[in-house]
Amino acid sequence: EAGVAQSPRYKIIEKRQSVAFWCNPISGHATLYWYQQILGQGPKLLIQFQNNGVVDDSQLPKDRFSAERLKGVDSTLKIQPAKLEDSAVYLCASSSRGIRTGELFFGEGSRLTVL
Amino acid sequence: KQEVTQIPAALSVPEGENLVLNCSFTDSAIYNLQWFRQDPGKGLTSLLLIQSSQREQTSGRLNASLDKSSGRSTLYIAASQPGDSATYLCAVNQAGTALIFGKGTTLSVSS
Repeated sequence: EAGVAQSPRYKIIEKRQSVAFWCNPISGHATLYWYQQILGQGPKLLIQFQNNGVVDDSQLPKDRFSAERLKGVDSTLKIQPAKLEDSAVYLCASSSRGIRTGELFFGEGSRLTVL
Repeated sequence: KQEVTQIPAALSVPEGENLVLNCSFTDSAIYNLQWFRQDPGKGLTSLLLIQSSQREQTSGRLNASLDKSSGRSTLYIAASQPGDSATYLCAVNQAGTALIFGKGTTLSVSS
């Protein structure tokens, strides 16, 4: 079974530039998550999708971050404009059993460096 | 607001030792607790998932326990090996939220 795929693995940009990350979850997984992991910290949820609907985006900085999951499969996370403090690893995860009981499977992450 | 704490932040042991990693959480109203492993530059790999009705789960040399009433979980690693070196994260699943993570314990096992 293929795992969660993410791209690009690494990205270096200047502050105020934009960047987009892509995630393809495990086939059939209805729930998709984007997490931000700053060095030395645990992952923090940015947004959670159930199929193509948003379940929780309360911690997403909506003035600069946006995410979509068209057709309930792939998802894209965009940052525009980027700030220095956005330097982090962006992790995508998926789950087959939804919000309450599902085991999460993570991709390898996209590491963003903002200069 | 749920908070997850992991102690110690870092741990170094010689190969062959048995060790315990600790995780505590402030709100006992959880659905489940999950332990993950993270290698440098990699994503998270799920190790064990304990539902709120369970007391423990075992997988190979790993054993995770859950005491929901006291807000604690432990991950026991038997006969540690250099390949066990990684960061171990625990996360709780609460009603209406996605996983809430601790900051992790970085384990180094020397040969």
